[in-house]
Amino acid sequence: GAGVSQSPSNKVTEKGKDVELRCDPISGHTALYWYRQSLGQGLEFLIYFQGNSAPDKSGLPSDRFSAERTGGSVSTLTIQRTQQEDSAVYLCASSPGRFNYGYTFGSGTRLTVV
Amino acid sequence: GENVEQHPSTLSVQEGDSAVIKCTYSDSASNYFPWYKQELGKRPQLIIDIRSNVGEKKDQRIAVTLNKTAKHFSLHITETQPEDSAVYFCAAIEANAGKSTFGDGTTLTVKP
Repeated sequence: GAGVSQSPSNKVTEKGKDVELRCDPISGHTALYWYRQSLGQGLEFLIYFQGNSAPDKSGLPSDRFSAERTGGSVSTLTIQRTQQEDSAVYLCASSPGRFNYGYTFGSGTRLTVV
Repeated sequence: GENVEQHPSTLSVQEGDSAVIKCTYSDSASNYFPWYKQELGKRPQLIIDIRSNVGEKKDQRIAVTLNKTAKHFSLHITETQPEDSAVYFCAAIEANAGKSTFGDGTTLTVKP
């Protein structure tokens, strides 16, 4: 696609429910990243994919968080048993090639856990 | 791991003045340093970047300088305009490993 697409743009969920966030990177971009941005805060790294593999999962805050990428394209970030502290904007970015220059961000998914 | 410190956290300038935002990093393996502009409720947009084999890069009113020895890099905006008002983030990235650390952001306000 022309840009990085994320869906849904907004998600309100009840505490304890599972949510899935989707990222569709720019066509041909092999690298994909997930970040979390709390209100007024910086970007917190969650996970990095190169192709379908995740060489760096170090940022996932707990075992309730998982992510996968299939076909070297679309990625889903799953949060199980959501907690109120999971409320944030979840941003996805992609970059071309193996050397990871020039990240392009999606518009994010605003997750609110009530 | 990498640690990125960004200063100042807020910056207010008069239209037409220059603005400078500084970042320091700790991991010498970082070799790519982009700057992003984020307007309220919008996605971060890449405005300029620099690789570790370059000391300075300029694009119209925006420039970035890198001092690898001291492990710091700076964003310079000249002739600021009200539309430059936004939050600016720096990042230090180990490009071949996909490791990225962002600064906490600088809220720039340009007063007309």
